[in-house]
Amino acid sequence: EIVMTQSPATLSVSPGERATLSCRASQSVSSNLAWYQQKPGQAPRLLIYGASTRATGIPARFSGSGSGTEFTLTISSLQSEDCAVYYCQQYNNWLSLTFGGGTKVEIK
Amino acid sequence: QVQLVESGGGVVQPGRSLRLSCAASGFTFSSYGMHWVRQAPGKGLEWVAVISYDGSSKYYADSVKGRFTISRDNSKNTLYLQMNSLRAEDTAVFYCAKEGGSGSYTGAWGQGTLVTVSS
Repeated sequence: EIVMTQSPATLSVSPGERATLSCRASQSVSSNLAWYQQKPGQAPRLLIYGASTRATGIPARFSGSGSGTEFTLTISSLQSEDCAVYYCQQYNNWLSLTFGGGTKVEIK
Repeated sequence: QVQLVESGGGVVQPGRSLRLSCAASGFTFSSYGMHWVRQAPGKGLEWVAVISYDGSSKYYADSVKGRFTISRDNSKNTLYLQMNSLRAEDTAVFYCAKEGGSGSYTGAWGQGTLVTVSS
């Protein structure tokens, strides 16, 4: 099983500042990496797939980068509505998708 | 637009069975693989199972293998999850999710249905 590790567990960022979230895979997943946003009481929402492609309707302040085992989600200018838990997911092994443990983003 | 609506959750005793359903609309259901993903209260996301677009291939997480069965009825645009021998640790919100258009990521999700396993 490919293990996904996210850091930090919690990130406190001032409004308008940049937030940088990390995700590491235990083995290469190429660019088969997605990011999701989940707000309390809601289902996860796809933000990024293919490591760097924004899903339909996702604001340009969200960007993804990386390949292989190291990935980053960047929120360029944090808005209050961006407070949520963010998960990375590898789908390189489609027989067994795996998620990271999540990063909670909060307003400082 | 894509809509996925889960149903069938509820409170069930340990060792008993439950079947979840997911009604799909807004896309060609028979063209996409489908997943079940669960989330225990206050915890992260755990992938449960996947089924190919035609139902010919099915794969499961080790934690549910041999107890859960994923299936689909393309004539009814519906995905199922049969859960047997339920345990307390199966308590979670269960989400169905549609594969993305360019990969097996989970591109669209339902709102989830809560399964509580308790005596």
